[in-house]
Amino acid sequence: DAGITQSPRHKVTETGTPVTLRCHQTENHRYMYWYRQDPGHGLRLIHYSYGVKDTDKGEVSDGYSVSRSKTEDFLLTLESATSSQTSVYFCAISESMVWFEDTQYFGPGTRLTVL
Amino acid sequence: DQQVKQNSPSLSVQEGRISILNCDYTNSMFDYFLWYKKYPAEGPTFLISISSIKDKNEDGRFTVFLNKSAKHLSLHIVPSQPGDSAVYFCAAMDDKIIFGKGTRLHILP
Repeated sequence: DAGITQSPRHKVTETGTPVTLRCHQTENHRYMYWYRQDPGHGLRLIHYSYGVKDTDKGEVSDGYSVSRSKTEDFLLTLESATSSQTSVYFCAISESMVWFEDTQYFGPGTRLTVL
Repeated sequence: DQQVKQNSPSLSVQEGRISILNCDYTNSMFDYFLWYKKYPAEGPTFLISISSIKDKNEDGRFTVFLNKSAKHLSLHIVPSQPGDSAVYFCAAMDDKIIFGKGTRLHILP
C-alpha cells in the first residue's frame, strides 16, 4: 500500500469554525489531490498540487484553500465550515499527471461533520 | 452537466456469474479511462485502466471494454466473487480526472 495517511480520520465541528485536514505521504510523489465524496456525486476534485507551493483549483474549490510547504504534506483548510461541507474527504497522490504508466493512490479518508 | 455517467446506482449479481458495470461519457477528448473499487470506510483503489487507442484490456478476472463511437465503457468481472461487493467508480481523463457517481455491486451467495 502507498504510504498515505490522513488526519484526523473523523471530526465533528460547528458551522463557522475553521478546520484543517492533513494529508501526509511517504512516497515522495510530486502530485497530491483533495477530493470529497458525497452520495449521488461520486468523487469530486477540490484542489490539487503539482509541487511545493504549486496548487490549483479543482471542480469544487469554493470555500476551501490548500497549502503545500513540503513535498510530503498537503493541507486542506475550510476557513469557515458550513453544513454543505459535511462529507468524506480523500487525499490522493500520484507521480505524474499522466496516468498512462501510473495511477492515483488514495488515503483512507476523513469523515467531517459540520453541525 | 455530468461528463462521466454511471446510470445504475446498484447492481446485484449471483456469485460465480458475470458482473457488468457500465459507464458513459460525453467528452470525446477523454483519452484514458480507469475503474476504481471502493470498500466502505476505505479509500478507492485502482482496478484497471484502458487507453483510448485500445478497445479491450484484461487483467485476471477483470476486463474493460471501450466503445469510442458510443462513448461507452464497461467493466466485466468473471466469475464474480463475494469480495467483489463494493462501489465501483468509473473515471475519465483529458487534462484532469473526472469520476462517475459510482455503482454499488452486491454479490449474492
